[in-house]
Amino acid sequence: EPEVTQTPSHQVTQMGQEVILRCVPISNHLYFYWYRQILGQKVEFLVSFYNNEISEKSEIFDDQFSVERPDGSNFTLKIRSTKLEDSAMYFCASRSTSGGAYNEQFFGPGTRLTVL
Amino acid sequence: SQQGEEDPQALSIQEGENATMNCSYKTSINNLQWYRQNSGRGLVHLILIRSNEREKHSGRLRVTLDTSKKSSSLLITASRAADTASYFCATVSSGNTGKLIFGQGTTLQVKP
Repeated sequence: EPEVTQTPSHQVTQMGQEVILRCVPISNHLYFYWYRQILGQKVEFLVSFYNNEISEKSEIFDDQFSVERPDGSNFTLKIRSTKLEDSAMYFCASRSTSGGAYNEQFFGPGTRLTVL
Repeated sequence: SQQGEEDPQALSIQEGENATMNCSYKTSINNLQWYRQNSGRGLVHLILIRSNEREKHSGRLRVTLDTSKKSSSLLITASRAADTASYFCATVSSGNTGKLIFGQGTTLQVKP
């Protein structure tokens, strides 16, 4: 069964460093998302991406964040200058357009980002 | 309260019992979805119910939706130890990109 994959599973970085989190969505999906979950808190929407551009972003997704689909398979989230409060689990998700509007999303296993 | 608030926050039951989790939300929705998260792992989609549906079943799961009360419930029947996880409701509103707005979640512990 197709699945969303994410790398790395755990990333440790120093405050102020840049990190790139990588995701490979399911191949025939057209909508891509990033969410984050701070430890013990709920999952929060960061950004959605469709047709090679950002379609919606949250207040969390400030100028320090960017997303890219550099080729036909990868979908990346970059944090330019990490802060301590960026420590969280970051989830990538994708969904298809078949089966109705706004259908289920498929989540990757997440990347745990620890900023020291 | 915020969009997608669940209660209870934590639930502990014996194997074989039923578990009911509730979710309330504030804005109009296109659909409401339930996800499960095992400790430290990713989210797994369980079931989706659209705004024009009132009840939906999938195996041991039963979901209801009351749009007049802006609430939903997830019932897991004949629970198993493997059902131990956190359960989140998430809403999707029409007119946006399908982003999910999650609630705080209910942590379910099923004791063998």
